Amino acid sequence: NAGVMQNPRHLVRRRGQEARLRCSPMKGHSHVYWYRQLPEEGLKFMVYLQKENIIDESGMPKERFSAEFPKEGPSILRIQQVVRGDSAAYFCASSTVVAGVTDTQYFGPGTRLTVL
Amino acid sequence: DQQVKQNSPSLSVQEGRISILNCDYTNSMFDYFLWYKKYPAEGPTFLISISSIKDKNEDGRFTVFLNKSAKHLSLHIVPSQPGDSAVYFCAASVPGSARQLTFGSGTQLTVLP
Repeated sequence: NAGVMQNPRHLVRRRGQEARLRCSPMKGHSHVYWYRQLPEEGLKFMVYLQKENIIDESGMPKERFSAEFPKEGPSILRIQQVVRGDSAAYFCASSTVVAGVTDTQYFGPGTRLTVL
Repeated sequence: DQQVKQNSPSLSVQEGRISILNCDYTNSMFDYFLWYKKYPAEGPTFLISISSIKDKNEDGRFTVFLNKSAKHLSLHIVPSQPGDSAVYFCAASVPGSARQLTFGSGTQLTVLP
């Protein structure tokens, strides 16, 4: 049973370019979370999605960031016009829902974004 | 405003001894707590969790203790092994269907052979 998959593992972008990060949840998981980890800090929640629906995006920056989880294919975190401050590790987690509550979140290996 | 705090950035322990990692929280709405282990260049790996209705949960060498009145939890690893060397994150969530996690800043555990 494959775990959560993220690609690319490393991504280098120049300021002003777009970054697209992909996440495929564990088999049988229909809910995806995105977290960001800045250097020397813990992970910070960004957005929570289920198929075709954003449930909670309270942790997402208001501008330049967007996320989707289409009916088919992986979840995508998109960062437009990247700036140096976007350099971080971005982790995706997936979970199932048990009795209306999300179960344990399992994390992918992360995408390390470097903005030059 | 850090709602989950891990005040020790690092901890060194001799192999075979007990490792105790601590975590404090300020949000009294948290009702579910987890510990994750993270190796460099990998994602966090779930270790153990505890609901606020309990004060202890044990899984093999790992035990988590919760003191609600002190808003404090700890992870005990006995006996510690060199392979336990990693960054340990404490995380918490509030009731609700979303259950997004609030993480501490992590503690680097080094188990010396």
